[in-house]
Amino acid sequence: AQRVTQPEKLLSVFKGAPVELKCNYSYSGSPELFWYVQYSRQRLQLLLRHISRESIKGFTADLNKGETSFHLKKPFAQEEDSAMYYCALNPDYGGATNKLIFGTGTLLAVQP
Amino acid sequence: ETGVTQSPTHLIKTRGQQVTLRCSSQSGHNTVSWYQQALGQGPQFIFQYYREEENGRGNFPPRFSGLQFPNYSSELNVNALELDDSALYLCASSSGGVNTEAFFGQGTRLTVV
Repeated sequence: AQRVTQPEKLLSVFKGAPVELKCNYSYSGSPELFWYVQYSRQRLQLLLRHISRESIKGFTADLNKGETSFHLKKPFAQEEDSAMYYCALNPDYGGATNKLIFGTGTLLAVQP
Repeated sequence: ETGVTQSPTHLIKTRGQQVTLRCSSQSGHNTVSWYQQALGQGPQFIFQYYREEENGRGNFPPRFSGLQFPNYSSELNVNALELDDSALYLCASSSGGVNTEAFFGQGTRLTVV
């Protein structure tokens, strides 16, 4: 079965501390993985996708097929990073990226 | 260029009733997907429309149906509402090409009492 697991509902860190938001997936084919973010009172928006290999707002994520993971990392957290983060998988790799399977989300709280 | 807009923002319905939610896709986008997000959960894929045809469906019963219009706006219809249908309903549009980004609306909060 296709599934995305985010084991932490809440991750609280201090400003300047490293951040790692965990994401594991279950998928039989070649996955396309994303991180979406939702800031307070804003709509869900794409943060990054594994195929682009970009670093957005200091965040990076590496696809580890052996561990079936796609953890989101940032070396130094900022208060403005506080938001809800969702890991998502596209089972239609190469097709329209709009049939996403989401995890349950992790709320990142960065304390001053 | 306008973003994805959904209406209404909030809605209260009684169990057994029917509801229609609306979504205007972003300019230039021909693909619309609908998601249901229950409290404390991630969004769940309901179905997708591409150029007015259903193009994929998640694990939702037939009482969830949709339409896409020639201008690529879309409707989600839910018949025989149940209490468990209470959720945030999200619409996302994309240009339908390979590796394109999905842009989400702000959602419609449906409460079934």
